[in-house]
Amino acid sequence: QVQLQESGPGLVKPSETLSLTCTVSGYSISSGYYWGWIRQPPGKGLEWIGSIFHSGSTYYNSSLNSRVTLSVDTSKNQFSLNLTSMTAADTAVYYCARDRTGAHFDYWGQGTLVTVSS
Amino acid sequence: QSALTQPPSASGSPGQSVTISCTGTSSDVGGFNYVSWYQQHPGKAPKLMIYEVSKRPSGVPDRFSGSKSGNTASLTVSGLQADDEADYYCSSYAGNNNLVFGGGTKLTVL
Repeated sequence: QVQLQESGPGLVKPSETLSLTCTVSGYSISSGYYWGWIRQPPGKGLEWIGSIFHSGSTYYNSSLNSRVTLSVDTSKNQFSLNLTSMTAADTAVYYCARDRTGAHFDYWGQGTLVTVSS
Repeated sequence: QSALTQPPSASGSPGQSVTISCTGTSSDVGGFNYVSWYQQHPGKAPKLMIYEVSKRPSGVPDRFSGSKSGNTASLTVSGLQADDEADYYCSSYAGNNNLVFGGGTKLTVL
């Protein structure tokens, strides 16, 4: 069974960089597929942040493009998100997920709440 | 890219059918057969219910079905059950390796 687990800080100060890691079990990232990040502000809808192919090619939401960096570490079976210049508007639950075709997510992590506050 | 348009709410009685719409443009919903639907219960991660417009992942009941006409995709839930009460989100591939979600629909089982 494929499982994903997000890890990282629950609190980030304004202007700082958020770094989150997603650890995958039950499937080897190097075997294929895309791996993505999605966020959900409290009480609001889902927003795709970006996806990374197992080979390292990256695809970002154009509204966040200049602030987002995704990376993959196949040796640790992990992929990561860096989001710079955090503001209160970035407060959200951040999910990592397996992206089967670059267009749908079939396995999701439980999500991690990140709050931006001084 | 702009979010896809979904009605904020939908409702139906147990046993009835309900359809949720998801309207986009020819650059996303209308241009590709890559529409997905997710179910999200409060405090939980989204769950994939439909992908590529009308395909169901293993384990999803056939009470859930998807379709598309032009720039509008639809999710139909037949034989409504209490556990179907949740938020539902559509998403679509939008070209140039972009993905867009809808704003979500809260489904209430009366």
